[in-house]
Amino acid sequence: ETGVTQTPRHLVMGMTNKKSLKCEQHLGHNAMYWYKQSAKKPLELMFVYNFKEQTENNSVPSRFSPECPNSSHLFLHLHTLQPEDSALYLCASSQVSQLNTEAFFGQGTRLTVV
Amino acid sequence: AQTVTQSQPEMSVQEAETVTLSCTYDTSESDYYLFWYKQPPSRQMILVIRQEAYKQQNATENRFSVNFQKAAKSFSLKISDSQLGDAAMYFCAYRSARAGTASKLTFGTGTRLQVTL
Repeated sequence: ETGVTQTPRHLVMGMTNKKSLKCEQHLGHNAMYWYKQSAKKPLELMFVYNFKEQTENNSVPSRFSPECPNSSHLFLHLHTLQPEDSALYLCASSQVSQLNTEAFFGQGTRLTVV
Repeated sequence: AQTVTQSQPEMSVQEAETVTLSCTYDTSESDYYLFWYKQPPSRQMILVIRQEAYKQQNATENRFSVNFQKAAKSFSLKISDSQLGDAAMYFCAYRSARAGTASKLTFGTGTRLQVTL
């Protein structure tokens, strides 16, 4: 496998459920990101992990809890979500030491909160 | 904070014709990178083209080229000889070039490109 892989591709959950989104990168990168993509809004950066350390949290509600156990894996734990949290959640990775490198994205998880 | 604006929610082009997608941005930094990403129905964001702000020469990748106007803070994408496979959402994005920063991207709202026969 190569690139950035996200699972599941689709997720429907109730407001009282707990679920997790998974992201795995096989590119040897040292930084990983979660973005939220809602209809007719710019992609919003949620979290940044650099060498497994969280370096940015863009005022994301605590019902979203990220976890980065190693440089290749990133999780987003979800609990007691709201319908407005329904969106496409994109994971990305990059190599921080090389400024000129691009971010590579996964195919996203389409989340629907009912 | 940086902002990126794409003023064309939708564009349409005939196959084999040329189309230009607009993007403007606002920043107080002098060194940065600009990108155009393509998001087809598969949803995966794919890098189309990249421009370093310190380079005056416009970037070109096969049928894709940019018109980078640093003073005007404008970064448009030109697609020549449009193909059906070019149909997608196109996002303009900005990234700071400050040392030690991760690749945090600021995106525009996107332009949906339709390609017709």
